[in-house]
Amino acid sequence: DAGVIQSPRHEVTEMGQEVTLRCKPISGHDYLFWYRQTMMRGLELLIYFNNNVPIDDSGMPEDRFSAKMPNASFSTLKIQPSEPRDSAVYFCASSDREDSWGEKLFFGSGTQLSVL
Amino acid sequence: RKEVEQDPGPFNVPEGATVAFNCTYSNSASQSFFWYRQDCRKEPKLLMSVYSSGNEDGRFTAQLNRASQYISLLIRDSKLSDSATYLCVIGDSSYKLIFGSGTRLLVRP
Repeated sequence: DAGVIQSPRHEVTEMGQEVTLRCKPISGHDYLFWYRQTMMRGLELLIYFNNNVPIDDSGMPEDRFSAKMPNASFSTLKIQPSEPRDSAVYFCASSDREDSWGEKLFFGSGTQLSVL
Repeated sequence: RKEVEQDPGPFNVPEGATVAFNCTYSNSASQSFFWYRQDCRKEPKLLMSVYSSGNEDGRFTAQLNRASQYISLLIRDSKLSDSATYLCVIGDSSYKLIFGSGTRLLVRP
């Protein structure tokens, strides 16, 4: 099992540029989550999908952020335009259980985003 | 008040020491409780679930106190490899997970 795969591992961009982060969940997992981690705010849930449908996007900070899941094996998180305060580690995670995500939540290696 | 609060540390302890972390949560309706471990520049991984009766896994013991709304993690006989950040994770009634900011542990030789 390859686990959750994220790309790129590192992204350095300039303010105002579009950034696209990618995620491939574990095969068979119906739930996909996007988290953001910063020193100040810790790990925050941005959005999650169930069977490719966005269920809760209340954590998405602004309209500059958007997420899609066109099929069961691929999701993107896009920031347009990017700002320096978006600098963080973005994690994708997947799970196959609703009743206890905490026990069956698997994270990707994350994307370290730096916006200059 | 934050939904989940942890002492950020760092806790700096010698090998072999016993160390304990606490985590408080504000939502009395919280349903599930976990400790995750995160190594430097790595992703979080489940360390153990926390049950009402408490549970133990080798050198690690986790306990839940619903009345006082906190969970704890006890690590006995600390190893160098235990150095990491320990995240307290609370699940609410809709299974949404709230992560604490973590407690950093440094185990020195």
